[in-house]
Amino acid sequence: DAGITQSPRHKVTETGTPVTLRCHQTENHRYMYWYRQDPGHGLRLIHYSYGVKDTDKGEVSDGYSVSRSKTEDFLLTLESATSSQTSVYFCAISDRGRETQYFGPGTRLLVL
Amino acid sequence: DQQVKQNSPSLSVQEGRISILNCDYTNSMFDYFLWYKKYPAEGPTFLISISSIKDKNEDGRFTVFLNKSAKHLSLHIVPSQPGDSAVYFCAASYYGNKLVFGAGTILRVKS
Repeated sequence: DAGITQSPRHKVTETGTPVTLRCHQTENHRYMYWYRQDPGHGLRLIHYSYGVKDTDKGEVSDGYSVSRSKTEDFLLTLESATSSQTSVYFCAISDRGRETQYFGPGTRLLVL
Repeated sequence: DQQVKQNSPSLSVQEGRISILNCDYTNSMFDYFLWYKKYPAEGPTFLISISSIKDKNEDGRFTVFLNKSAKHLSLHIVPSQPGDSAVYFCAASYYGNKLVFGAGTILRVKS
């Protein structure tokens, strides 16, 4: 299994509060991704990174920001959490952009 | 506009029989396709992939077929086992590294 951890694994927060999710990898892969999974939608890309300090938006980036200050860590921040951001969040990594992505265990977020 | 569609939300198959999961796509630029399997409370795990230069790829009990003219791919699992019960996602990409996922199909293999 690819060395990917996500923290926290579960979180309950209130509307309007900022939330930061962390993805940590030990594979030294260049690319890192954040997805959300919702019923009926599969996995949708939020943001991704193609190197340290290099990030770009995905399909559903509104309300989210990311940062990558070192190869192994990719942070996802919900600037002001809303109930529509209740979801399961997955981090993924790949060595080269066109290769298979490997996923972390997920973070279940509930926004009340 | 869903570029990758899995039109069957669920599929039930008897143990030992063949499971066929289907996926359709609309973007003719897609040139790399993957299948992932997901168990509850876990992250998706890679199963098998196929490049658009091929029409078939096998790995043990799993075979993926690609029909480019129909923009259709399918995953065959033979023989199906109870441990195969999971959600299966197909995904597609083109040059630029972003994967686009379908909504998933829940496979239940009955023993």
